[in-house]
Amino acid sequence: EVQLVESGGGLVKPGGSLRLSCGASGFTFSSYSMNWVRQAPGKGLEWVSYISSSSSTIYYADSVKGRFTISRDNAKNSLYLQMSSLRADDTAVYYCARWSGSYSSFDYWGQGTLATVSS
Amino acid sequence: DIQMTQSPSTLSASVGDRVTITCRASQSISGWLAWYQQKPGKAPKLLIYRASSLESGVPSRFSGSGSGTEFTLTISSLQPDDFATYYCQQYNRYSWTFGQGTKVEIK
Repeated sequence: EVQLVESGGGLVKPGGSLRLSCGASGFTFSSYSMNWVRQAPGKGLEWVSYISSSSSTIYYADSVKGRFTISRDNAKNSLYLQMSSLRADDTAVYYCARWSGSYSSFDYWGQGTLATVSS
Repeated sequence: DIQMTQSPSTLSASVGDRVTITCRASQSISGWLAWYQQKPGKAPKLLIYRASSLESGVPSRFSGSGSGTEFTLTISSLQPDDFATYYCQQYNRYSWTFGQGTKVEIK
């Protein structure tokens, strides 16, 4: 069974940093591209970042470019999102999601972890 | 960036109703469109990929159609478990965009 489990969320002050993690199991993690997608409270879904299976290709949404860094460790079946210079509008539930390139869709999602940016 | 516009934003319907949600892209995305269902406090769930292909395990009352810039998600006979928010999502050249969502409420 495919499982994605996020962790690392919490309360941080504006300008601070937070590192999110996503542990994967039930599939060959090193064969899949992965993404982070976020959802502000009461709002819709926003794609945040993409990383290819080998980490050779990385993309970011304009809203986080230069502040967030996506990475992965295929040996540990883990995906990461380092978030810095955090702002109040970064407050959201952050989901890791597996990308199915063949089907151009996010086929599995974690349960999400809440990051709250507030003074 | 490609913008995705869903309509309506909210839909009130009864069990057994046929429901249609529309998603329009600001430019052609061929068939690279997916639909997701999200219930409160839960992660989104993939329903439809490549505009019209049903994800494994998803009930056949869900169907998708369209190409180019206009796409639809249809629920042929609304069931109690279907009251949720639905999102479309496009993919184009390493750019991903979601629609703003359509909340299906009990009438």
